[in-house]
Amino acid sequence: NAGVTQTPKFQVLKTGQSMTLQCAQDMNHNSMYWYRQDPGMGLRLIYYSASEGTTDKGEVPNGYNVSRLNKREFSLRLESAAPSQTSVYFCASTESWAETQYFGPGTRLLVL
Amino acid sequence: AQSVTQLDSQVPVFEEAPVELRCNYSSSVSVYLFWYVQYPNQGLQLLLKYLSGSTLVKGINGFEAEFNKSQTSFHLRKPSVHISDTAEYFCAVESGRRALTFGSGTRLQVQP
Repeated sequence: NAGVTQTPKFQVLKTGQSMTLQCAQDMNHNSMYWYRQDPGMGLRLIYYSASEGTTDKGEVPNGYNVSRLNKREFSLRLESAAPSQTSVYFCASTESWAETQYFGPGTRLLVL
Repeated sequence: AQSVTQLDSQVPVFEEAPVELRCNYSSSVSVYLFWYVQYPNQGLQLLLKYLSGSTLVKGINGFEAEFNKSQTSFHLRKPSVHISDTAEYFCAVESGRRALTFGSGTRLQVQP
């Protein structure tokens, strides 16, 4: 039982490059989330998927797209990376919003 | 829209002393409140949550929090801290969007 896994752990991109952050959970959870964490700003919600087949924008969706591939997997795509997207990205999952969210270990992204 | 304010960005405290980490929220509807902890280079873990019922909530590692509706607060307390409690603590609120809004975090630094 791995919980929530994220790949890659680290990534360096040049401005304008694209990449996809992968997230998978093995707890059969309905809801999945993508957050970014920046110093002094806590975690900000980028996108979430309340259930398989649905996605919704969070607080800071600009510059990102998501895909809920199936119940297990929820990917985050940066189409044209910008230095402002340098951050630590966390994926989380939960059975429902009132229940505990389980977080992955994070992806550290640097955009030059 | 809901928001969360964590009044202290850093709280230094000596080992075995009591500590209180403050959290205030704003929401026009009923809320559900959470405290998460993040140890260095890790994802977040749930400490405790308030959904309904008793306003005093006990969590893991000896932490507790009290929901105060009139003061819109959900302060986290521990009567005696350990070195191992050094971490960043995040308050979060859910009020109908099926997603959490996090505060900016409080870094607890426990000194010997």
